[in-house]
Amino acid sequence: EVQLVESGGGLIQPGGSLRLSCAASGFTVSSNYMSWVRQAPGKGLEWVSVIYSGGSTYYADSVKGRFTISRDNSKNTLYLQMNSLRAEDTAVYYCARGSSSYDYWGQGTLVTVSS
Amino acid sequence: VIWMTQSPSLLSASTGDRVTISCRMSQGISSYLAWYQQKPGKAPELLIYAASTLQSGVPSRFSGSGSGTDFTLTISCLQSEDFATYYCQQYYSFPRTFGQGTKVEIK
Repeated sequence: EVQLVESGGGLIQPGGSLRLSCAASGFTVSSNYMSWVRQAPGKGLEWVSVIYSGGSTYYADSVKGRFTISRDNSKNTLYLQMNSLRAEDTAVYYCARGSSSYDYWGQGTLVTVSS
Repeated sequence: VIWMTQSPSLLSASTGDRVTISCRMSQGISSYLAWYQQKPGKAPELLIYAASTLQSGVPSRFSGSGSGTDFTLTISCLQSEDFATYYCQQYYSFPRTFGQGTKVEIK
């Protein structure tokens, strides 16, 4: 059974850093395209980043230069390193399988950026 | 950036109704469109991809149509479990973008 479990969210001050993890089971992360999508409280969905099976990465302009997507093949885990966090980064962050449509999603982890 | 206009933003309907949700693109995207359902506090779930292909396990009362710039999600006979928010999403180009969402509520 395919499962994605995010962790690492929490309350962080503006300018701080946080690393989100997404542990996958039931499939191999390195053989798939993997994405992060976020949702601010009460708002719609926003694509954040994708990593291709070959290692290429893409980012939304709103996070480019501040966020880094990566994976650990030995742990079958996807990551999102978030630096220079801003209040507008406050959201539930979901990892999802795919780069086009997303067929499996994690339950999400809440990141709150506030002083 | 491809902008998406999803309408209506709120749809009031009754169980058994046929409902349609529209998604219009700022430029043509062929059939590179997906639809998702999201319930409060839950992750989105994929309903349809490639504009009209039903994801495995999704009830056949859901259908999608369109290509180019205009797309539609139809629920043929609304069930109680279908009251939720629906999003369209294009994957023709980066950045991937989502519609603003349509909340389907009980009339």
